[in-house]
Amino acid sequence: EDQVTQSPEALRLQEGESSSLNCSYTVSGLRGLFWYRQDPGKGPEFLFTLYSAGEEKEKERLKATLTKKESFLHITAPKPEDSATYLCAVCGGTASKLTFGTGTRLQVTL
Amino acid sequence: NAGVTQTPKFRVLKTGQSMTLLCAQDMNHEYMYWYRQDPGMGLRLIHYSVGEGTTAKGEVPDGYNVSRLKKQNFLLGLESAAPSQTSVYFCASSSFGGSSYNEQFFGPGTRLTVL
Repeated sequence: EDQVTQSPEALRLQEGESSSLNCSYTVSGLRGLFWYRQDPGKGPEFLFTLYSAGEEKEKERLKATLTKKESFLHITAPKPEDSATYLCAVCGGTASKLTFGTGTRLQVTL
Repeated sequence: NAGVTQTPKFRVLKTGQSMTLLCAQDMNHEYMYWYRQDPGMGLRLIHYSVGEGTTAKGEVPDGYNVSRLKKQNFLLGLESAAPSQTSVYFCASSSFGGSSYNEQFFGPGTRLTVL
């Protein structure tokens, strides 16, 4: 059974204070690891897909990396508008569905 | 493109009542999913469909039924609502293959309260 664990549960940063969110996973035959952003009262919004260890993707202040056991979402010089819950999910084996972690709630203050 | 839309946005039911949640997508996606999201539990898959006329059980299917009569629509039914089904329900759709493997697009959610 696929499993995803995200840490920390919550993170409070000051504007400009860089940090990383962690997503540890166990899956039989990774087909993709996904990062989503979710704002309060809204549906998750797709950010990145990573397919193999060593892969990296960037979008504005966000950079996602992947190893064989975990993924990191690095946030460089965050702004208050980066405040959201960040979700990690995996798709493995022959499954046509995702398994989600419980998310990291990020708050960026001035 | 409207993407993924969900109807209704909010609903309050009494225990034992029934209702249907409607999900529609205009991206010609083959795959559609219903999730529920509860505090501390994350997104949990209820049922999903890999094509018109097909459905499959997810992680928490009990108490729910689904139908996919048309490719663009995916319906989630509660036959006899229970307070444990109070949650926020999200629909998602995706296509397989190519560079967008199983990237799921989510709707805005339906907030359901069962009294």
